[in-house]
Amino acid sequence: NAGVTQTPKFRILKIGQSMTLQCAQDMNHNYMYWYRQDPGMGLKLIYYSVGAGITDKGEVPNGYNVSRSTTEDFPLRLELAAPSQTSVYFCASSPPIGREYEKLFFGSGTQLSVL
Amino acid sequence: AQKVTQAQTEISVVEKEDVTLDCVYETRDTTYYLFWYKQPPSGELVFLIRRNSFDEQNEISGRYSWNFQKSTSSFNFTITASQVVDSAVYFCALSVGGTSYGKLTFGQGTILTVHP
Repeated sequence: NAGVTQTPKFRILKIGQSMTLQCAQDMNHNYMYWYRQDPGMGLKLIYYSVGAGITDKGEVPNGYNVSRSTTEDFPLRLELAAPSQTSVYFCASSPPIGREYEKLFFGSGTQLSVL
Repeated sequence: AQKVTQAQTEISVVEKEDVTLDCVYETRDTTYYLFWYKQPPSGELVFLIRRNSFDEQNEISGRYSWNFQKSTSSFNFTITASQVVDSAVYFCALSVGGTSYGKLTFGQGTILTVHP
């Protein structure tokens, strides 16, 4: 049971380049999220998904896109990377409402630098 | 809108000292959930506790304890007899009920350093 797996762990982009951050979970969780963590700050929600085919914006969605074609995968797409997108990105998932209500399981993060 | 404030940016203690991390939250919702997460130097976030707004009982788990007071909108976290392995960034977070499932508002974090 791998939990939430994020790839890559580190990436350096040039301004204007694009890339996709991969996230996969093997816990059959309905809910998945993308957060970003800026230095000295808490995490902020970028996008989230309540199930395959359903996504919605979080607090800071500009410059990002997501898709959710399967329950397991929730990739985050950066188009036209900008220095302001330099951050650590965390993918998370959570089970349906129940005993572990809103307990988020986090991946290990992707450290992205845009230069 | 929700807000979480962790007043202490950094705390430094010597091993075996007790330490309390403060968390104050703001929300107009009557149903909400409060969380503490630990982020060790390795970077991943580890869930510590979840508390709903209707349960004001304090909780103790080993050396960890949490004090939830709705009257002061606070959800403080105490580590008793701190250890070097407790060194980490600790985040307090809030989510409101209903459609905000899993959409957490995080505080800025408190960096705890425990010296041997």
